[in-house]
Amino acid sequence: AQKITQTQPGMFVQEKEAVTLDCTYDTSDQSYGLFWYKQPSSGEMIFLIYQGSYDEQNATEGRYSLNFQKARKSANLVISASQLGDSAMYFCAMKWPLNRDDKIIFGKGTRLHILP
Amino acid sequence: EPEVTQTPSHQVTQMGQEVILRCVPISNHLYFYWYRQILGQKVEFLVSFYNNEISEKSEIFDDQFSVERPDGSNFTLKIRSTKLEDSAMYFCASTGQGPSSYEQYFGPGTRLTVT
Repeated sequence: AQKITQTQPGMFVQEKEAVTLDCTYDTSDQSYGLFWYKQPSSGEMIFLIYQGSYDEQNATEGRYSLNFQKARKSANLVISASQLGDSAMYFCAMKWPLNRDDKIIFGKGTRLHILP
Repeated sequence: EPEVTQTPSHQVTQMGQEVILRCVPISNHLYFYWYRQILGQKVEFLVSFYNNEISEKSEIFDDQFSVERPDGSNFTLKIRSTKLEDSAMYFCASTGQGPSSYEQYFGPGTRLTVT
């Protein structure tokens, strides 16, 4: 069965340092999409970044980049120059096969704490 | 920037009562979803909806749940007879068409408390 694994339940990082949040996935499908969402303490789910399985380049959105290693089935989120406002829960998620009406399956999340 | 909206932000109801959670997806989106997140746990898929019918539903989405798109803008989730274990944050999401059409945009959620 397809699944998403986030092995870091919590992380503490000094402000301005780069952060890598780990995510591995398991699927036999060739066509799939990988997502990262941020959930601050207020509860909303904020879309950060998307990577398609056929995309050859790693996705980037501002300070966020997705380190996609297809052979290792990993999709780590990298946040450059972390800020206090980055403190939140971060969820890795996957959609397979890559049809528009298909659901997203979420990992259990990593709680990131940015220290001043 | 267009966004998904949800009302109410918080609903408290008694066990056995019916609740309707409302969502207004992004206006040109065609695919709609409901997810829920029990406090402290991961987000779980409930149902997807396209072209006025359910595309897929999870085992959580039993006969007590229903969805409807009553007009061109609203998308609702109804729980007929709430149970204590229905207490959770409920998220609506939508997806459009075009180059970024695999991205699902979530609303701010409705926190449902069943007492």
